[in-house]
Amino acid sequence: DAGITQSPRHKVTETGTPVTLRCHQTENHRYMYWYRQDPGHGLRLIHYSYGVKDTDKGEVSDGYSVSRSKTEDFLLTLESATSSQTSVYFCAISESSYTEAFFGQGTRLTVV
Amino acid sequence: AQRVTQPEKLLSVFKGAPVELKCNYSYSGSPELFWYVQYSRQRLQLLLRHISRESIKGFTADLNKGETSFHLKKPFAQEEDSAMYYCALSGGSNYKLTFGKGTLLTVNP
Repeated sequence: DAGITQSPRHKVTETGTPVTLRCHQTENHRYMYWYRQDPGHGLRLIHYSYGVKDTDKGEVSDGYSVSRSKTEDFLLTLESATSSQTSVYFCAISESSYTEAFFGQGTRLTVV
Repeated sequence: AQRVTQPEKLLSVFKGAPVELKCNYSYSGSPELFWYVQYSRQRLQLLLRHISRESIKGFTADLNKGETSFHLKKPFAQEEDSAMYYCALSGGSNYKLTFGKGTLLTVNP
């Protein structure tokens, strides 16, 4: 498996609290992505990064922010968690936009 | 804007039957198309991509630019093919990797 880990793997949090999910890679890949997976919606892109401090929004970015201060880490922050953000979050990495993306094992987040 | 459409949420076939999972895309430039698979309790993983023109686990997919389609096919389905399949598109210069909603394939014995 590619060197990509997500933490935490599971989290339960209360509505209104901030939450940060971490994606860590050891592959030195340039591109990193955050997705959420929901039944009936598939994988939806939240934010992505194409280099250190270079990030852009995906299709469902409202309520989320990201940071990438170094190549290996891509952080996803829910500024004020809501129940609609209960989901499974996946991080992915790739060398380029034309090559295979490798996925983390996912983080199951529950907002109560 | 780039978009990937998988019209079938669920697809059920019998072992040994042919299977086709449909994928249509919308993109103004030259896209890179992929199929990813997620087996139960496993990570998403690449199944194949159009640029390599290879067959993986008996699956093939042909890019049809005229119909903007990238359907996944296998002549004889196996029970171990049961999984969630995602079609994905990369727009190249904009770095986005966009997925469809997925098709859950069930191969019955």
